[in-house]
Amino acid sequence: DIQMTQSPSSLSASVGDRVTITCRASQGISNYLAWYQQKPGKVPELLIYAASTLQTGAASRFSGSGSGTDFTLTISSLQPEDFATYYCQQYDSDPITFGPGTKVDVK
Amino acid sequence: EEQLVGSGGGLVQPGGSLRLSCAVSGFPFSSRSMNWVRQAPGEGLEWVSYISSSSSVTYYADSVRGRFTISRDNSKKSLYLQMNNLRAEDTAVYFCARGGAIADRAMPTWGQGTLVIVSS
Repeated sequence: DIQMTQSPSSLSASVGDRVTITCRASQGISNYLAWYQQKPGKVPELLIYAASTLQTGAASRFSGSGSGTDFTLTISSLQPEDFATYYCQQYDSDPITFGPGTKVDVK
Repeated sequence: EEQLVGSGGGLVQPGGSLRLSCAVSGFPFSSRSMNWVRQAPGEGLEWVSYISSSSSVTYYADSVRGRFTISRDNSKKSLYLQMNNLRAEDTAVYFCARGGAIADRAMPTWGQGTLVIVSS
Protein backbone atom coordinates (compact mmCIF):
# COMPACT_ATOMS: atom_id res chain seq x y z
CA ASP A 1 0.00 0.00 0.00
CA ILE A 2 1.08 3.57 -0.63
CA GLN A 3 1.59 5.49 2.60
CA MET A 4 0.84 9.21 2.67
CA THR A 5 2.44 11.57 5.17
CA GLN A 6 1.68 15.24 5.75
CA SER A 7 3.61 18.00 7.41
CA PRO A 8 3.08 19.77 9.61
CA SER A 9 0.38 17.88 11.50
CA SER A 10 -0.92 21.23 12.69
CA LEU A 11 -0.11 24.88 12.29
CA SER A 12 -1.28 28.16 13.66
CA ALA A 13 -1.72 31.07 11.30
CA SER A 14 -3.35 34.47 10.99
CA VAL A 15 -5.78 35.82 8.45
CA GLY A 16 -3.81 37.00 5.44
CA ASP A 17 -0.92 34.57 5.96
CA ARG A 18 0.45 32.42 3.19
CA VAL A 19 0.13 28.79 4.26
CA THR A 20 1.88 25.77 2.77
CA ILE A 21 1.13 22.14 3.58
CA THR A 22 3.29 19.29 2.34
CA CYS A 23 2.22 15.78 1.41
CA ARG A 24 4.61 12.95 0.62
CA ALA A 25 3.87 9.55 -0.92
CA SER A 26 5.87 6.44 -0.05
CA GLN A 27 6.30 5.75 -3.77
CA GLY A 28 5.75 7.67 -6.96
CA ILE A 29 2.13 8.45 -7.78
CA SER A 30 2.62 10.69 -10.83
CA ASN A 31 0.04 13.46 -10.35
CA TYR A 32 -2.75 11.27 -8.96
CA LEU A 33 -3.23 13.39 -5.87
CA ALA A 34 -6.18 15.26 -4.45
CA TRP A 35 -6.56 17.72 -1.58
CA TYR A 36 -9.66 18.03 0.65
CA GLN A 37 -10.76 20.51 3.29
CA GLN A 38 -12.87 19.39 6.23
CA LYS A 39 -14.37 21.64 8.88
CA PRO A 40 -15.52 20.22 12.24
CA GLY A 41 -18.76 18.30 11.89
CA LYS A 42 -18.83 18.85 8.15
CA VAL A 43 -18.29 16.79 5.03
CA PRO A 44 -14.90 16.85 3.27
CA GLU A 45 -14.75 19.15 0.25
CA LEU A 46 -12.53 18.54 -2.75
CA LEU A 47 -10.19 21.45 -3.44
CA ILE A 48 -7.62 20.14 -5.88
CA TYR A 49 -7.30 17.05 -8.08
CA ALA A 50 -4.58 15.87 -10.44
CA ALA A 51 -2.16 17.58 -8.04
CA SER A 52 -2.77 21.07 -9.39
CA THR A 53 -6.25 21.33 -10.94
CA LEU A 54 -8.60 23.53 -8.96
CA GLN A 55 -11.98 21.91 -8.41
CA THR A 56 -14.92 23.90 -9.78
CA GLY A 57 -16.18 26.16 -7.03
CA ALA A 58 -13.03 26.08 -4.93
CA ALA A 59 -11.51 29.46 -4.12
CA SER A 60 -8.63 30.57 -6.35
CA ARG A 61 -6.42 31.26 -3.31
CA PHE A 62 -5.93 27.49 -3.11
CA SER A 63 -3.26 26.00 -5.36
CA GLY A 64 -1.49 22.68 -5.60
CA SER A 65 1.81 21.57 -7.04
CA GLY A 66 4.08 18.57 -7.23
CA SER A 67 4.51 15.26 -8.96
CA GLY A 68 5.96 11.89 -8.13
CA THR A 69 6.29 11.74 -4.35
CA ASP A 70 6.24 15.34 -3.11
CA PHE A 71 3.28 17.67 -3.22
CA THR A 72 2.21 20.97 -1.70
CA LEU A 73 -1.06 22.76 -1.04
CA THR A 74 -0.74 26.51 -0.76
CA ILE A 75 -3.29 29.00 0.53
CA SER A 76 -2.11 32.36 -0.79
CA SER A 77 -3.92 34.53 1.74
CA LEU A 78 -5.64 32.71 4.59
CA GLN A 79 -9.28 33.66 5.11
CA PRO A 80 -11.42 33.12 8.23
CA GLU A 81 -13.33 30.30 6.53
CA ASP A 82 -10.09 28.42 5.80
CA PHE A 83 -9.48 27.29 9.39
CA ALA A 84 -10.01 23.57 8.95
CA THR A 85 -8.22 20.25 8.52
CA TYR A 86 -6.68 19.45 5.14
CA TYR A 87 -6.14 15.94 3.79
CA CYS A 88 -4.21 14.71 0.78
CA GLN A 89 -5.34 11.55 -1.02
CA GLN A 90 -3.52 9.42 -3.54
CA TYR A 91 -5.48 7.66 -6.23
CA ASP A 92 -2.67 6.18 -8.25
CA SER A 93 -3.36 2.66 -7.02
CA ASP A 94 -5.66 0.75 -4.71
CA PRO A 95 -6.14 0.89 -1.88
CA ILE A 96 -6.72 4.62 -2.09
CA THR A 97 -5.03 6.23 0.91
CA PHE A 98 -5.36 9.53 2.68
CA GLY A 99 -2.76 11.47 4.58
CA PRO A 100 -3.30 11.91 8.35
CA GLY A 101 -4.39 15.51 7.95
CA THR A 102 -3.06 18.98 8.76
CA LYS A 103 -5.09 21.12 11.12
CA VAL A 104 -4.91 24.86 10.47
CA ASP A 105 -6.02 26.91 13.44
CA VAL A 106 -6.00 30.50 14.60
CA LYS A 107 -2.72 31.92 15.81
CA GLU B 1 -27.89 20.44 -7.06
CA GLU B 2 -26.11 17.19 -6.35
CA GLN B 3 -27.34 15.33 -3.27
CA LEU B 4 -26.17 12.15 -1.60
CA VAL B 5 -28.21 11.03 1.39
CA GLY B 6 -26.82 8.24 3.49
CA SER B 7 -28.87 6.08 5.83
CA GLY B 8 -28.86 2.78 7.67
CA GLY B 9 -26.38 3.47 10.42
CA GLY B 10 -26.98 2.65 14.05
CA LEU B 11 -25.84 0.68 17.07
CA VAL B 12 -24.93 -2.95 16.45
CA GLN B 13 -23.24 -5.62 18.53
CA PRO B 14 -19.86 -7.04 17.55
CA GLY B 15 -20.35 -9.76 14.97
CA GLY B 16 -23.56 -8.20 13.76
CA SER B 17 -24.55 -6.81 10.37
CA LEU B 18 -25.79 -3.55 8.91
CA ARG B 19 -26.66 -2.37 5.44
CA LEU B 20 -25.93 1.23 4.57
CA SER B 21 -27.69 3.00 1.73
CA CYS B 22 -26.95 6.17 -0.19
CA ALA B 23 -29.66 7.75 -2.33
CA VAL B 24 -28.42 10.20 -4.92
CA SER B 25 -29.85 12.89 -7.15
CA GLY B 26 -28.68 15.78 -9.28
CA PHE B 27 -26.05 13.98 -11.37
CA PRO B 28 -25.92 11.06 -13.83
CA PHE B 29 -25.54 8.30 -11.24
CA SER B 30 -25.22 5.49 -13.77
CA SER B 31 -22.19 7.24 -15.31
CA ARG B 32 -20.20 7.79 -12.13
CA SER B 33 -18.18 5.53 -9.90
CA MET B 34 -18.96 5.60 -6.19
CA ASN B 35 -17.05 5.13 -2.96
CA TRP B 36 -17.56 4.61 0.73
CA VAL B 37 -15.17 6.45 3.04
CA ARG B 38 -15.27 6.31 6.83
CA GLN B 39 -14.04 8.46 9.68
CA ALA B 40 -13.69 7.13 13.19
CA PRO B 41 -14.48 9.63 15.98
CA GLY B 42 -11.71 12.23 16.15
CA GLU B 43 -9.71 10.49 13.45
CA GLY B 44 -8.84 11.00 9.80
CA LEU B 45 -10.41 9.72 6.62
CA GLU B 46 -10.19 6.05 5.61
CA TRP B 47 -11.30 4.88 2.18
CA VAL B 48 -13.40 1.71 2.45
CA SER B 49 -14.64 0.63 -0.96
CA TYR B 50 -15.13 1.57 -4.64
CA ILE B 51 -17.57 0.47 -7.31
CA SER B 52 -17.44 1.39 -10.97
CA SER B 53 -20.40 2.89 -12.78
CA SER B 54 -21.52 -0.46 -14.20
CA SER B 55 -20.65 -2.48 -11.07
CA SER B 56 -18.08 -4.43 -13.07
CA VAL B 57 -15.18 -3.35 -10.84
CA THR B 58 -15.08 -3.26 -7.05
CA TYR B 59 -12.22 -2.60 -4.65
CA TYR B 60 -11.98 -2.89 -0.89
CA ALA B 61 -9.65 -1.76 1.85
CA ASP B 62 -7.76 -4.65 3.43
CA SER B 63 -9.46 -3.91 6.75
CA VAL B 64 -12.92 -4.75 5.38
CA ARG B 65 -12.29 -7.17 2.52
CA GLY B 66 -14.30 -10.36 2.99
CA ARG B 67 -16.68 -8.71 5.47
CA PHE B 68 -18.11 -5.76 3.50
CA THR B 69 -19.78 -5.80 0.09
CA ILE B 70 -20.41 -2.73 -2.04
CA SER B 71 -23.22 -2.70 -4.59
CA ARG B 72 -25.40 -0.29 -6.50
CA ASP B 73 -28.75 -0.15 -8.26
CA ASN B 74 -28.56 2.35 -11.09
CA SER B 75 -32.31 2.14 -11.70
CA LYS B 76 -32.91 3.30 -8.13
CA LYS B 77 -29.94 5.72 -8.08
CA SER B 78 -28.74 4.05 -4.92
CA LEU B 79 -25.47 2.80 -3.48
CA TYR B 80 -25.19 0.18 -0.74
CA LEU B 81 -22.67 -1.20 1.70
CA GLN B 82 -23.44 -4.54 3.32
CA MET B 83 -21.37 -4.84 6.46
CA ASN B 84 -21.07 -8.24 8.14
CA ASN B 85 -19.10 -9.52 11.12
CA LEU B 86 -18.75 -5.99 12.45
CA ARG B 87 -15.96 -5.14 14.87
CA ALA B 88 -15.49 -2.34 17.37
CA GLU B 89 -12.90 -0.80 15.05
CA ASP B 90 -15.58 -0.37 12.37
CA THR B 91 -17.19 2.33 14.51
CA ALA B 92 -17.18 5.47 12.37
CA VAL B 93 -19.18 7.90 10.31
CA TYR B 94 -19.58 6.36 6.87
CA PHE B 95 -19.69 8.73 3.90
CA CYS B 96 -20.77 7.89 0.39
CA ALA B 97 -18.90 9.89 -2.24
CA ARG B 98 -19.06 9.98 -6.00
CA GLY B 99 -16.13 9.74 -8.34
CA GLY B 100 -15.12 12.67 -10.49
CA ALA B 101 -16.08 13.05 -14.13
CA ILE B 102 -12.46 13.64 -15.10
CA ALA B 103 -10.49 12.16 -12.21
CA ASP B 104 -12.55 9.08 -11.47
CA ARG B 105 -10.91 8.34 -8.13
CA ALA B 106 -11.06 11.87 -6.72
CA MET B 107 -14.31 12.54 -4.87
CA PRO B 108 -16.01 15.87 -5.57
CA THR B 109 -19.31 15.26 -3.81
CA TRP B 110 -19.96 13.58 -0.48
CA GLY B 111 -23.05 12.59 1.46
CA GLN B 112 -23.62 13.84 4.99
CA GLY B 113 -22.52 10.59 6.58
CA THR B 114 -24.23 7.95 8.66
CA LEU B 115 -22.90 6.87 12.05
CA VAL B 116 -22.18 3.22 12.78
CA ILE B 117 -21.42 2.22 16.37
CA VAL B 118 -20.27 -1.30 17.07
CA SER B 119 -20.54 -2.02 20.76
CA SER B 120 -21.99 -4.55 23.18
